[in-house]
Formats: sequence, structure tokens, C-alpha cells
Amino acid sequence: DAGITQSPRHKVTETGTPVTLRCHQTENHRYMYWYRQDPGHGLRLIHYSYGVKDTDKGEVSDGYSVSRSKTEDFLLTLESATSSQTSVYFCAISRQEIRGELFFGEGSRLTVL
Amino acid sequence: DAKTTQPPSMDCAEGRAANLPCNHSTISGNEYVYWYRQIHSQGPQYIIHGLKNNETNEMASLIITEDRKSSTLILPHATLRDTAVYYCIVRVVEYGNKLVFGAGTILRVKS
Repeated sequence: DAGITQSPRHKVTETGTPVTLRCHQTENHRYMYWYRQDPGHGLRLIHYSYGVKDTDKGEVSDGYSVSRSKTEDFLLTLESATSSQTSVYFCAISRQEIRGELFFGEGSRLTVL
Repeated sequence: DAKTTQPPSMDCAEGRAANLPCNHSTISGNEYVYWYRQIHSQGPQYIIHGLKNNETNEMASLIITEDRKSSTLILPHATLRDTAVYYCIVRVVEYGNKLVFGAGTILRVKS
């Protein structure tokens, strides 16, 4: 299994509060991704990173920000959580851009009340 | 983006080969076909990918038609643990390594 750890694995919070999800890898892979998964929508890309301090938006980036100050950590922040951001969040890593082989973490289930 | 079309669900008997089809008629010449699967509540798992030649690894085989407009993922001896959602994805080259997941096929392996 790829060395990916997501934290927290489960979180319940209230609307308007800030939330940060952490993805930590031990593989020294260059590329990291945040996806969310919702019933009826499948997996959708939020943000991704192609190196330290290099990030870009995915298809559903509104309301989310990311940071990557170290190769091993990719943080996803919800500045002011809303109920529509209740979801399961998956982090993924990839070594080579060309191969496209992503390794996913176990997911973080976030509930915003 | 090249789109993929998969049947929403399929059943397979345990021990038999599972053949999962995928249509990608608008695929471009430099786009790869990837297959992932997701077992209930877990993160997606990479299975295999290919460009135009058939590919085989320890998990599965990928058969791509000569015109590349469709492909089939083959699990040679399906087990109950292969019950999962299987995603056929065509890599969107202009977005680098980002993969766009569709609805996939729910494969139910039955004893």
C-alpha cells in the first residue's frame, strides 16, 4: 500500500467554522490531489499540486483552498464550512505525470451541520 | 474531454471471468485508458492502463480495440472480493495527470 495518511478520518463540524484536512505521504511523490465524493456525482477533483508551493484548481474548487509547504503534506482548508461541503474527501498521490497511476488514501468523512 | 460510457451494473459468478466494457469513441490519439476500482467506502485502487496494445498484469487484462473506441477490462477469475465499482477513465492530457471519474460500473460477484 502507498504510504498515504489522511487526518482526521472523521469530523463533524458546524456551518461557518474553518476546517483543515491533512494528507501526509511517505513516498516523496511529486503530485498530490484532493477529490471529493458524493452520491450521484462520483469523484470530483478539488485541487491538485505538482510540487512544493505549486498548486492549481480542479473542477470544484470554490470554497476550498490548499497549501503545500513540504513535499509530504498537502492541506485542504474550508475557510467557512457549509452543509454542501459534507462529503468524503480523498487524497491521492502520483509519482509520474505521464503514467497517471494515482494512489488514494482511505478518505476523510466530513459532516457539516 | 474524451467521455466514457459504461454499463451501470453487471453480475458475475464467482470463479468466472468478469468482462467489463467501456466505450470511449471520442478518444484522442495520445490519451490513455485507465481502469480503477473502488471497494465500498475505500479509496479508489489503480488496476491497469494502456494506450493501444493489450495489457496484462497480476490483477487484470485490458483489451483495447484496434480503433481504440472501446476497451474491455477482464478479471480472469472473479472472487467475491472483486465486488466493487469499476471506473474506466480516459486521461485528459491537457490537465496533466488529473483523472476525471465517471459513474463507473457496479460489479457484483455472486457465489
